[in-house]
Amino acid sequence: GQQLNQSPQSMFIQEGEDVSMNCTSSSIFNTWLWYKQDPGEGPVLLIALYKAGELTSNGRLTAQFGITRKDSFLNISASIPSDVGIYFCAGHRQGAQKLVFGQGTRLTINP
Amino acid sequence: DAGVIQSPRHEVTEMGQEVTLRCKPISGHNSLFWYRQTMMRGLELLIYFNNNVPIDDSGMPEDRFSAKMPNASFSTLKIQPSEPRDSAVYFCASSIRVAEAFFGQGTRLTVV
Repeated sequence: GQQLNQSPQSMFIQEGEDVSMNCTSSSIFNTWLWYKQDPGEGPVLLIALYKAGELTSNGRLTAQFGITRKDSFLNISASIPSDVGIYFCAGHRQGAQKLVFGQGTRLTINP
Repeated sequence: DAGVIQSPRHEVTEMGQEVTLRCKPISGHNSLFWYRQTMMRGLELLIYFNNNVPIDDSGMPEDRFSAKMPNASFSTLKIQPSEPRDSAVYFCASSIRVAEAFFGQGTRLTVV
Protein backbone atom coordinates (compact mmCIF):
# COMPACT_ATOMS: atom_id res chain seq x y z
CA GLY A 1 0.00 0.00 0.00
CA GLN A 2 0.91 3.65 -0.01
CA GLN A 3 3.56 4.68 2.44
CA LEU A 4 5.09 7.94 3.47
CA ASN A 5 8.70 8.05 4.53
CA GLN A 6 9.22 10.76 7.08
CA SER A 7 12.65 11.87 8.23
CA PRO A 8 14.34 12.27 10.50
CA GLN A 9 12.65 9.97 13.01
CA SER A 10 13.92 12.11 15.87
CA MET A 11 15.71 15.39 16.41
CA PHE A 12 17.53 16.79 19.40
CA ILE A 13 18.21 20.51 19.08
CA GLN A 14 18.98 23.56 21.14
CA GLU A 15 16.37 26.19 21.78
CA GLY A 16 16.55 28.87 19.12
CA GLU A 17 17.71 26.56 16.35
CA ASP A 18 15.83 26.07 13.11
CA VAL A 19 14.29 22.68 12.33
CA SER A 20 13.70 20.93 9.02
CA MET A 21 11.88 17.69 8.36
CA ASN A 22 10.50 16.10 5.25
CA CYS A 23 8.19 13.48 3.92
CA THR A 24 8.53 11.53 0.68
CA SER A 25 6.35 9.11 -1.20
CA SER A 26 6.62 6.83 -4.19
CA SER A 27 3.24 8.02 -5.39
CA ILE A 28 1.60 11.36 -6.02
CA PHE A 29 -0.61 13.11 -3.50
CA ASN A 30 -2.98 15.98 -4.15
CA THR A 31 -2.91 17.30 -0.61
CA TRP A 32 -0.18 17.34 1.99
CA LEU A 33 -0.79 18.07 5.64
CA TRP A 34 1.36 18.53 8.70
CA TYR A 35 0.13 17.65 12.18
CA LYS A 36 1.69 18.08 15.62
CA GLN A 37 0.98 15.80 18.54
CA ASP A 38 1.71 16.90 22.09
CA PRO A 39 2.19 14.24 24.77
CA GLY A 40 -1.14 12.81 25.85
CA GLU A 41 -3.07 14.67 23.17
CA GLY A 42 -4.37 14.03 19.69
CA PRO A 43 -2.69 15.31 16.52
CA VAL A 44 -3.48 18.92 15.70
CA LEU A 45 -3.51 20.17 12.13
CA LEU A 46 -0.79 22.78 11.55
CA ILE A 47 -0.71 23.39 7.82
CA ALA A 48 -2.55 22.07 4.75
CA LEU A 49 -1.10 22.33 1.24
CA TYR A 50 -3.20 21.90 -1.88
CA LYS A 51 -1.04 22.86 -4.87
CA ALA A 52 2.31 21.61 -6.14
CA GLY A 53 4.97 24.16 -5.31
CA GLU A 54 2.79 25.86 -2.71
CA LEU A 55 4.64 27.44 0.19
CA THR A 56 2.54 28.20 3.26
CA SER A 57 3.46 29.72 6.61
CA ASN A 58 1.80 29.55 10.01
CA GLY A 59 3.79 31.73 12.38
CA ARG A 60 7.26 30.26 12.69
CA LEU A 61 6.23 27.22 10.68
CA THR A 62 6.66 27.02 6.93
CA ALA A 63 5.66 24.06 4.79
CA GLN A 64 6.06 23.36 1.11
CA PHE A 65 4.27 21.06 -1.29
CA GLY A 66 6.96 19.52 -3.48
CA ILE A 67 6.81 20.26 -7.18
CA THR A 68 6.75 16.54 -8.01
CA ARG A 69 3.78 16.06 -5.66
CA LYS A 70 5.73 13.24 -4.03
CA ASP A 71 7.21 15.16 -1.14
CA SER A 72 6.68 17.91 1.39
CA PHE A 73 8.84 19.81 3.83
CA LEU A 74 8.23 21.47 7.17
CA ASN A 75 10.53 24.07 8.66
CA ILE A 76 10.34 25.58 12.13
CA SER A 77 12.35 28.72 12.74
CA ALA A 78 13.79 29.84 16.07
CA SER A 79 12.51 26.82 18.02
CA ILE A 80 11.03 27.30 21.48
CA PRO A 81 10.29 24.74 24.21
CA SER A 82 6.61 24.42 23.28
CA ASP A 83 7.62 23.12 19.84
CA VAL A 84 8.46 19.80 21.51
CA GLY A 85 6.28 16.98 20.26
CA ILE A 86 5.80 14.58 17.39
CA TYR A 87 5.24 16.00 13.92
CA PHE A 88 3.35 13.91 11.36
CA CYS A 89 3.02 14.43 7.67
CA ALA A 90 -0.06 13.09 5.91
CA GLY A 91 -1.00 12.79 2.27
CA HIS A 92 -4.30 12.59 0.52
CA ARG A 93 -4.95 11.47 -3.02
CA GLN A 94 -7.92 12.87 -4.88
CA GLY A 95 -10.85 10.49 -4.69
CA ALA A 96 -9.29 8.51 -1.88
CA GLN A 97 -11.26 8.12 1.29
CA LYS A 98 -8.46 8.32 3.78
CA LEU A 99 -5.20 9.97 4.73
CA VAL A 100 -1.85 8.25 4.66
CA PHE A 101 0.37 9.19 7.61
CA GLY A 102 4.13 9.26 7.99
CA GLN A 103 5.81 7.60 10.95
CA GLY A 104 6.40 10.92 12.71
CA THR A 105 9.38 13.04 13.72
CA ARG A 106 9.94 13.37 17.45
CA LEU A 107 11.36 16.78 18.30
CA THR A 108 13.22 17.33 21.56
CA ILE A 109 14.54 20.75 22.52
CA ASN A 110 17.30 21.36 25.02
CA PRO A 111 16.93 24.68 26.81
CA ASP B 1 -16.33 24.91 18.99
CA ALA B 2 -15.77 22.04 21.43
CA GLY B 3 -13.82 19.94 18.96
CA VAL B 4 -14.02 16.17 18.77
CA ILE B 5 -14.93 14.76 22.16
CA GLN B 6 -13.88 11.28 23.20
CA SER B 7 -14.67 9.33 26.32
CA PRO B 8 -13.29 7.94 28.45
CA ARG B 9 -9.80 9.48 28.36
CA HIS B 10 -8.35 6.43 30.07
CA GLU B 11 -9.65 2.89 30.36
CA VAL B 12 -8.09 -0.01 32.20
CA THR B 13 -9.82 -3.32 31.83
CA GLU B 14 -9.17 -6.98 32.32
CA MET B 15 -8.60 -9.32 29.42
CA GLY B 16 -11.86 -10.74 28.16
CA GLN B 17 -13.97 -7.76 29.14
CA GLU B 18 -15.95 -5.67 26.70
CA VAL B 19 -14.69 -2.17 26.06
CA THR B 20 -16.69 0.65 24.49
CA LEU B 21 -15.09 3.85 23.34
CA ARG B 22 -17.23 6.86 22.50
CA CYS B 23 -16.87 9.80 20.16
CA LYS B 24 -18.79 12.97 19.46
CA PRO B 25 -17.61 14.53 16.19
CA ILE B 26 -17.56 18.24 15.41
CA SER B 27 -21.02 19.43 14.49
CA GLY B 28 -21.47 19.64 10.72
CA HIS B 29 -18.66 17.24 9.89
CA ASN B 30 -19.85 14.39 7.71
CA SER B 31 -16.85 12.05 7.95
CA LEU B 32 -15.71 10.22 11.06
CA PHE B 33 -12.58 8.15 11.49
CA TRP B 34 -11.34 5.77 14.18
CA TYR B 35 -7.55 5.41 14.48
CA ARG B 36 -5.32 3.34 16.72
CA GLN B 37 -1.86 4.54 17.72
CA THR B 38 0.95 2.36 19.06
CA MET B 39 4.69 2.84 19.24
CA MET B 40 5.29 -0.07 16.93
CA ARG B 41 2.73 0.65 14.22
CA GLY B 42 2.11 4.39 14.49
CA LEU B 43 -1.30 5.70 13.45
CA GLU B 44 -3.53 3.07 11.88
CA LEU B 45 -6.92 3.80 10.38
CA LEU B 46 -9.43 1.27 11.67
CA ILE B 47 -12.66 2.40 10.07
CA TYR B 48 -14.29 5.48 8.68
CA PHE B 49 -17.86 6.62 8.19
CA ASN B 50 -19.32 9.05 5.72
CA ASN B 51 -22.77 10.43 6.49
CA ASN B 52 -23.09 7.83 9.26
CA VAL B 53 -22.46 4.94 6.86
CA PRO B 54 -19.36 2.74 7.26
CA ILE B 55 -17.34 3.12 4.08
CA ASP B 56 -14.13 1.26 4.76
CA ASP B 57 -13.55 -1.09 7.68
CA SER B 58 -10.56 -2.87 6.18
CA GLY B 59 -8.37 -1.62 9.00
CA MET B 60 -10.41 -3.29 11.72
CA PRO B 61 -8.01 -5.92 13.01
CA GLU B 62 -10.44 -8.67 13.93
CA ASP B 63 -14.06 -9.55 14.40
CA ARG B 64 -13.62 -8.60 18.03
CA PHE B 65 -13.70 -4.98 16.88
CA SER B 66 -16.93 -3.31 15.81
CA ALA B 67 -17.95 0.29 15.25
CA LYS B 68 -21.28 2.02 14.93
CA MET B 69 -22.50 5.48 14.09
CA PRO B 70 -26.20 5.63 14.91
CA ASN B 71 -26.45 9.34 14.16
CA ALA B 72 -24.35 12.28 13.01
CA SER B 73 -23.28 13.22 16.51
CA PHE B 74 -22.20 9.93 18.03
CA SER B 75 -20.04 6.92 17.29
CA THR B 76 -18.77 3.96 19.28
CA LEU B 77 -15.89 1.56 18.90
CA LYS B 78 -16.37 -1.70 20.75
CA ILE B 79 -13.87 -4.43 21.51
CA GLN B 80 -15.29 -7.73 22.72
CA PRO B 81 -13.51 -9.62 24.14
CA SER B 82 -10.52 -7.39 24.80
CA GLU B 83 -6.96 -8.70 24.77
CA PRO B 84 -3.69 -7.23 26.09
CA ARG B 85 -2.48 -6.58 22.52
CA ASP B 86 -5.39 -4.19 22.08
CA SER B 87 -3.67 -1.79 24.48
CA ALA B 88 -3.12 1.46 22.56
CA VAL B 89 -4.39 4.99 22.21
CA TYR B 90 -7.56 5.15 20.15
CA PHE B 91 -8.38 8.38 18.36
CA CYS B 92 -11.55 9.57 16.77
CA ALA B 93 -11.35 12.23 14.09
CA SER B 94 -13.93 14.06 12.03
CA SER B 95 -13.85 16.20 8.92
CA ILE B 96 -15.85 17.95 6.25
CA ARG B 97 -13.15 17.27 3.71
CA VAL B 98 -11.26 14.02 4.16
CA ALA B 99 -7.94 15.80 3.95
CA GLU B 100 -8.49 18.06 6.96
CA ALA B 101 -9.26 15.71 9.79
CA PHE B 102 -9.62 17.03 13.34
CA PHE B 103 -8.65 14.64 16.09
CA GLY B 104 -10.02 14.12 19.56
CA GLN B 105 -7.77 13.81 22.60
CA GLY B 106 -7.85 10.04 22.43
CA THR B 107 -8.66 7.19 24.76
CA ARG B 108 -5.71 5.39 26.29
CA LEU B 109 -6.75 1.75 26.65
CA THR B 110 -4.85 -0.68 28.83
CA VAL B 111 -5.91 -4.32 28.86
CA VAL B 112 -4.33 -6.33 31.66
